[in-house]
Amino acid sequence: KAGVTQTPRYLIKTRGQQVTLSCSPISGHRSVSWYQQTPGQGLQFLFEYFSETQRNKGNFPGRFSGRQFSNSRSEMNVSTLELGDSALYLCASTPTVNTGELFFGEGSRLTVL
Amino acid sequence: GESVGLHLPTLSVQEGDNSIINCAYSNSASDYFIWYKQESGKGPQFIIDIRSNMDKRQGQRVTVLLNKTVKHLSLQIAATQPGDSAVYFCAENAGGTSYGKLTFGQGTILTVHP
Repeated sequence: KAGVTQTPRYLIKTRGQQVTLSCSPISGHRSVSWYQQTPGQGLQFLFEYFSETQRNKGNFPGRFSGRQFSNSRSEMNVSTLELGDSALYLCASTPTVNTGELFFGEGSRLTVL
Repeated sequence: GESVGLHLPTLSVQEGDNSIINCAYSNSASDYFIWYKQESGKGPQFIIDIRSNMDKRQGQRVTVLLNKTVKHLSLQIAATQPGDSAVYFCAENAGGTSYGKLTFGQGTILTVHP
């Protein structure tokens, strides 16, 4: 069974631009969560989606948004990029919402110049 | 200004030794705890979990201990192998019906020497 797939794996943007990251969960998994990982703040929760509904949102500014499609694939968008948005963005999926056994992808490494 | 990186705790052991990685949590409402392992260039990988109605749970070569009185969690790895070298994170969930929202600890770097 294929794992969680995130695209693109690496990208470079400049301040003020926007970026869209994509996540394809494991087949049959309906819950998708997003995390930001930085050396300074560690792993921080961004969003959680289940059946196209956002169930939880972390403490990030409104520039960070996401959505989930009917096939459980998810995207997150960051608008008006800042240098501090440089990070590894990780997507994780689970078959249901009542388990902390998240299956993570390898992440999208965003560099903002 | 420039952000300061986390200074992760480190643990260095010899192959075959037992390793103990510790984690303190602060949220008394947390009722579910998980350990993850992250190897370089990869996403975190689930190791083992424990709910607050338990104080010990064992897996293959790993044991998690939970002490709710002092809000402390530990991961014990038996007969540590070079392949166990990674960053280990504890994570907690503060209850409710959604477990995708986890609060991760800062992580511990485990280095296993052959």
